[in-house]
Amino acid sequence: ETGVTQTPRHLVMGMTNKKSLKCEQHLGHNAMYWYKQSAKKPLELMFVYNFKEQTENNSVPSRFSPECPNSSHLFLHLHTLQPEDSALYLCASSQSLAGRRWEQYFGPGTRLTVT
Amino acid sequence: SQELEQSPQSLIVQEGKNLTINCTSSKTLYGLYWYKQKYGEGLIFLMMLQKGGEEKSHEKITAKLDEKKQQSSLHITASQPSHAGIYLCGADISRAGNNRKLIWGLGTSLAVNP
Repeated sequence: ETGVTQTPRHLVMGMTNKKSLKCEQHLGHNAMYWYKQSAKKPLELMFVYNFKEQTENNSVPSRFSPECPNSSHLFLHLHTLQPEDSALYLCASSQSLAGRRWEQYFGPGTRLTVT
Repeated sequence: SQELEQSPQSLIVQEGKNLTINCTSSKTLYGLYWYKQKYGEGLIFLMMLQKGGEEKSHEKITAKLDEKKQQSSLHITASQPSHAGIYLCGADISRAGNNRKLIWGLGTSLAVNP
């Protein structure tokens, strides 16, 4: 247990569906991240939030829409996805983005399959 | 080529043997993170290194950051089946230290045969 939970753990959705991924951290951290992990590729940082404010959007298609209502919760809303979006989606959190460098703590991930 | 190269890509060792995994960058590493991942699961934080020449240990795992801060090695002593998994290195190449410019290696898959 890393203190970061993600639901659901597995998700199969059609290209016309709308679904959401949820992440919750119980570590008192202020920064949260969404990553995409695909086979034979390095981890891809998608979005970064610091104190609920989005600070990074790495050219992610608009079919992915993040939401961070507070420092403990992070959502990734999905709609009209493509088969190439199938991957493991990982949520992470860290103390903050300012000052010293902090390690990130990861959730178990959501395995997404788009059919 | 990858910004952060890990070698080897995969490794199979006999239980009890020592092994080393390397992580190399063409840029200065201001923070270097080692994680372990079980297949299809999240990453477990192992260690973070920041200073050139720094060395940290946790149980039978030792990580070092070389003096030039462009390479790190992860050494496992007397490997056990519980060490099996994918080892990932992540690096902060931003001098500002804002954690937003982490780059990642592709991982090294380790199998330990009993």
